[in-house]
Amino acid sequence: DQQVKQNSPSLSVQEGRISILNCDYTNSMFDYFLWYKKYPAEGPTFLISISSIKDKNEDGRFTVFLNKSAKHLSLHIVPSQPGDSAVYFCAATGSSGTYKYIFGTGTRLKVLA
Amino acid sequence: DSGVTQTPKHLITATGQRVTLRCSPRSGDLSVYWYQQSLDQGLQFLIHYYNGEERAKGNILERFSAQQFPDLHSELNLSSLELGDSALYFCASSVSTRGGGYTFGSGTRLTVV
Repeated sequence: DQQVKQNSPSLSVQEGRISILNCDYTNSMFDYFLWYKKYPAEGPTFLISISSIKDKNEDGRFTVFLNKSAKHLSLHIVPSQPGDSAVYFCAATGSSGTYKYIFGTGTRLKVLA
Repeated sequence: DSGVTQTPKHLITATGQRVTLRCSPRSGDLSVYWYQQSLDQGLQFLIHYYNGEERAKGNILERFSAQQFPDLHSELNLSSLELGDSALYFCASSVSTRGGGYTFGSGTRLTVV
């Protein structure tokens, strides 16, 4: 049972344009969501997070939007840069007392120069 | 360098064998999480330790076990290895708050032949 889904395995975007990565979840108990970026041969690195009490969180070129009713979140990167080319994972957790994250399968973003 | 150290980086072993993966968390972090990433799969949660105690278990096989030692480093033991156990194994640490997410190590790539 995949509780966190990233239905697009890959995405290509022109440099300078907007990249939109999507993530859906099924568990209504999730109340905290994160995005991680992963380069080859490295571990994932934390990018941005959002609590369920918010519907938007912004950090520089990165903005995460949360639609609780649709159980959907998205990551917007504006403007996209070649260095953003990586695999992006969304993750979710709930107030279970252990902060284990459930990860999606990832979306490979390629930003074309 | 994320501050989370995993050794070894690569491991090749035969079916039926037993291996131990090691993780040293970031200084000050009490929680250690283990994840498995198989080909084209997301990060699957295996187990969470906090200050030496097991806090949560995910889809961890009975052939796998883990522990966290008094100095907070952790080991993941994989036994009776099968070809399907070939994967990237990531360790992550945190101070056990949700804000900011985990810090991941660069992973151990296990190949079972």
